[in-house]
Amino acid sequence: DAGVTQTPRHEVAEKGQTIILKCEPVSGHNDLFWYRQTKIQGLELLSYFRSKSLMEDGGAFKDRFKAEMLNSSFSTLKIQPTEPKDSAVYLCASSFDRAGVFFGKGTRLTVV
Amino acid sequence: QQKVQQSPESLTVSEGAMASLNCTFSDGTSNNFRWYRQHSAKGLEVLVSIFSDGEKEEGRFTAHLNRANLHVSLHIREPQPSDSAVYLCAVSPNTGNYKYVFGAGTRLKVIA
Repeated sequence: DAGVTQTPRHEVAEKGQTIILKCEPVSGHNDLFWYRQTKIQGLELLSYFRSKSLMEDGGAFKDRFKAEMLNSSFSTLKIQPTEPKDSAVYLCASSFDRAGVFFGKGTRLTVV
Repeated sequence: QQKVQQSPESLTVSEGAMASLNCTFSDGTSNNFRWYRQHSAKGLEVLVSIFSDGEKEEGRFTAHLNRANLHVSLHIREPQPSDSAVYLCAVSPNTGNYKYVFGAGTRLKVIA
């Protein structure tokens, strides 16, 4: 399967811990997105990279959330320190021009 | 800032009956709209994209866009139980911009 791969699929963290979520975009895609999905807020954009350059850092998510893209085939999202309100599904997506945006299956994060 | 709202929150239809989902947006200059489906154990899959007023059909899925009314809808012809999922409307400023704003989703249940 050449889709977007996210790991881990599930993560449980204690409040105050640092967690790192990983994403491998579709090969050849030059846009990469990190979203957070909750029942109340729906899908919210956290970060947006174009050709590995950070284009959008999600405004309100800046202080404890940091996304990085060290190479075109791998991105991480670090949450430090975690808080219970960070419990959500984190989705990574990639795209190339008008070929459409492809989403990974997400990482379900629970912060206790 | 773009606001995207979907209705209804949940919808139950019988197998074979038409299912209609609605989405309103606030920025009338938007011209990039997508409908996604999210099954509980899968990532988001794109169903249909539409970039100009009118209709766009992809198999059993038809999107109808009316930008003057700030409205885009999704119609599912002959829905099946396997179509039971959350349907998300996504709106972007233009066809070259993939920073979508998502609605909160409509949960569709198709009963046999």
